Amino acid sequence: DVKVTQSSRYLVKRTGEKVFLECVQDMDHENMFWYRQDPGLGLRLIYFSYDVKMKEKGDIPEGYSVSREKKERFSLILESASTNQTSMYLCASSLPPRQPSNYGYTFGSGTRLTVV
Amino acid sequence: QQQVKQSPQSLIVQKGGISIINCAYENTAFDYFPWYQQFPGKGPALLIAIRPDVSEKKEGRFTISFNKSAKQFSLHIMDSQPGDSATYFCAASMDAGGTSYGKLTFGQGTILTVHP
Repeated sequence: DVKVTQSSRYLVKRTGEKVFLECVQDMDHENMFWYRQDPGLGLRLIYFSYDVKMKEKGDIPEGYSVSREKKERFSLILESASTNQTSMYLCASSLPPRQPSNYGYTFGSGTRLTVV
Repeated sequence: QQQVKQSPQSLIVQKGGISIINCAYENTAFDYFPWYQQFPGKGPALLIAIRPDVSEKKEGRFTISFNKSAKQFSLHIMDSQPGDSATYFCAASMDAGGTSYGKLTFGQGTILTVHP
């Protein structure tokens, strides 16, 4: 069964800590994404990567960075965690879109991060 | 900023009824419109998707209706069941753009509750 695995299900960190969220996919997908999910705001794109060592900012990159040293692994880094970064973080992977087939993300189960 | 607006935020339906969730988009370059379903504790999963060359797509009890001129699309769930209770997200992307990498812009989400 193909999957995207996020290393932690729940995480509690203190304000100012450096936080690493890890994501691994076993589908040999080129694209990987980090979203955060907040009630009423939906899923908002933080960063994405379309190749090893390649990354692009999404809609809300402030306070975050990413690393993709290997194709299967995409890490999200909170340089100095703040309380407003308390959220559910979702990692996803996909192949590049190829019409006319349906194109879809495979999501991990998420990491619920609480910053206190 | 590209936006996809989704309504309602929450929806309660009786078993056997029809659930309808609506989305509107602004960017006319969007050319791929998927819907995702998310159960508690899980990541979203692709449910059904449509491209703007058709006005309707049906898969089992799930139907997408697409109105290109109005820049709106909707999800209809016929004969709704308690097992359909989940959060639903609409999304949009620019597949044909080449440099979009298929990244999805999501709506705000709708929490659907189907009462037995």
